[in-house]
Amino acid sequence: GDSVTQMEGPVTLSEEAFLTINCTYTATGYPSLFWYVQYPGEGLQLLLKATKADDKGSNKGFEATYRKETTSFHLEKGSVQVSDSAVYFCALLNPSGTYKYIFGTGTRLKVLA
Amino acid sequence: DTAVSQTPKYLVTQMGNDKSIKCEQNLGHDTMYWYKQDSKKFLKIMFSYNNKELIINETVPNRFSPKSPDKAHLNLHINSLELGDSAVYFCASSQDRVNEQFFGPGTRLTVL
Repeated sequence: GDSVTQMEGPVTLSEEAFLTINCTYTATGYPSLFWYVQYPGEGLQLLLKATKADDKGSNKGFEATYRKETTSFHLEKGSVQVSDSAVYFCALLNPSGTYKYIFGTGTRLKVLA
Repeated sequence: DTAVSQTPKYLVTQMGNDKSIKCEQNLGHDTMYWYKQDSKKFLKIMFSYNNKELIINETVPNRFSPKSPDKAHLNLHINSLELGDSAVYFCASSQDRVNEQFFGPGTRLTVL
């Protein structure tokens, strides 16, 4: 079945450091890929998405590129801020499957001032 | 003007009790969901309704019963609560089955 694998956290960085959170997936067909962010005590919010191979999603300085050849959708940001501290979830939705979101296990990011 | 709202935000109850969590969305979406998030932040789909029709029903104890009185509401009723039911429950909605989901703020359920 479809699956999403995220790097284990927590990830601790200093402010202005470069961020990469790895995400790889297994799916048949052509899934859509998403990154969601969960700030403390809140629900998940969509951060960015990509619906086909080579698409790049971007928002708030975060980027991720849908790489079909490596089945990856790594999240990157050039300069993190303390306010980026949150849990980040990679997810896929396979419209040729069961229409269920498959979420990764989440990666906690902590940014220190 | 909250998009997806849940009540209550916190729910503390004794084992064996029955409780309900309510969810409402004002986005005009057709599809709504319930998720359970455990203490390690793992997120698991429980149910999904599309236009009031149940379309996803994961392997969830039948003590859990969703009810969708209309497209804007999806409630979750839990009978005979157990310690293992303690978690944060999230409601979400999406325009249809293939678009991004909008999440509510969550309901933290604690069973004592």
